[in-house]
Amino acid sequence: GIQVEQSPPDLILQEGANSTLRCNFSDSVNNLQWFHQNPWGQLINLFYIPSGTKQNGRLSATTVATERYSLLYISSSQTTDSGVYFCAVEGLGNEKLTFGTGTRLTIIP
Amino acid sequence: DTAVSQTPKYLVTQMGNDKSIKCEQNLGHDTMYWYKQDSKKFLKIMFSYNNKELIINETVPNRFSPKSPDKAHLNLHINSLELGDSAVYFCASSLGAEQPQHFGDGTRLSIL
Repeated sequence: GIQVEQSPPDLILQEGANSTLRCNFSDSVNNLQWFHQNPWGQLINLFYIPSGTKQNGRLSATTVATERYSLLYISSSQTTDSGVYFCAVEGLGNEKLTFGTGTRLTIIP
Repeated sequence: DTAVSQTPKYLVTQMGNDKSIKCEQNLGHDTMYWYKQDSKKFLKIMFSYNNKELIINETVPNRFSPKSPDKAHLNLHINSLELGDSAVYFCASSLGAEQPQHFGDGTRLSIL
């Protein structure tokens, strides 16, 4: 099956800093989503982005499908950004999302 | 006005018991899912239903049986619970394949 690798596994930043999270995948995809799991365990869908670039406030994401990676940018980090960020992909002809192991982001005040 | 709601939020029970988790979505989505998140936070799909029909069954033990009475509900029944079933179970829904998925808040299942 398709492999999804996220980096870095852990990231600790001061409030106000910017960060870039990376997701590499092993095969062509027709679906890629980024999720944030907050410290209370809730999973929030951030972006549906199988290709191209999207922005939502301080967050933006870019997927370069031909090179099999996606990036999530967080600018001016806030403590509420803390949690685990997951990338999930769906390979061609496969109707299920495969999740990466996540990047744990900790924002220090 | 919760979009995807699961009950109960917490479930603590003894090994060998049978339990159910309920899920309802009010988004008008056609597809619903069950995921399991283990103690290392790894998320894996268990089942997917489209309009009440099973479309994905990811080699989950027969003790797990999903039931979809209508497209807005997908319940999960677990027989003869084992220690290894302890995890957080998430329900999710989407308009269909290749569409954003929206998750419930999870049910934390603890087996004593």
